Amino acid sequence: GENVEQHPSTLSVQEGDSAVIKCTYSDSASNYFPWYKQELGKRPQLIIDIRSNVGEKKDQRIAVTLNKTAKHFSLHITETQPEDSAVYFCAAGSGYSTLTFGKGTMLLVSP
Amino acid sequence: GAVVSQHPSWVICKSGTSVKIECRSLDFQATTMFWYRQFPKQSLMLMATSNEGSKATYEQGVEKDKFLINHASLTLSTLTVTSAHPEDSSFYICSARAVSGGAGYEQYFGPGTRLTVT
Repeated sequence: GENVEQHPSTLSVQEGDSAVIKCTYSDSASNYFPWYKQELGKRPQLIIDIRSNVGEKKDQRIAVTLNKTAKHFSLHITETQPEDSAVYFCAAGSGYSTLTFGKGTMLLVSP
Repeated sequence: GAVVSQHPSWVICKSGTSVKIECRSLDFQATTMFWYRQFPKQSLMLMATSNEGSKATYEQGVEKDKFLINHASLTLSTLTVTSAHPEDSSFYICSARAVSGGAGYEQYFGPGTRLTVT
């Protein structure tokens, strides 16, 4: 089955800095890669996703890149703000299969 | 759009009793719903996949007789924790995947249910 590794487990940045979270996956059949943001005690929220037919996708301050050859994908957050502080999960899946989640990255943005 | 509700948001029960958690897709039809368990500061652990009108598929190590899942309609799935024990205390989250539209991949999560067994 699919195995997703996520790094780092914690990330502390100053407000205004950029943050990068990286994930690797093992199943070459995976073709859907979403990122979720989860605030304490709340539900995971889908913030961006990418499919294998593109290498990069951007939505305002958030971008995701995908390297299918190397089987890794990354989340980039620019101009971080304190409200970006949360746990971020990457996931990988294919077609209508279940998603496999990474272990999460706790992002702390200090004012 | 793509709103998933979950009820109750929190519940406290005594050991040996059963608790039912409901997951509803409010504005879309979900052929597939997923049930996850999440421990503090940990990732989402998939418990089972629920397809409308058929039996749920449980992940390895999850007791199907303890965690009863019913997906009676395209908008409702239920998880019943039977004969609850303190070790069942956890945050249970459901997610739903749309019938069609787009690539049909997106999963939307419910707000979760905090279960405490005393």
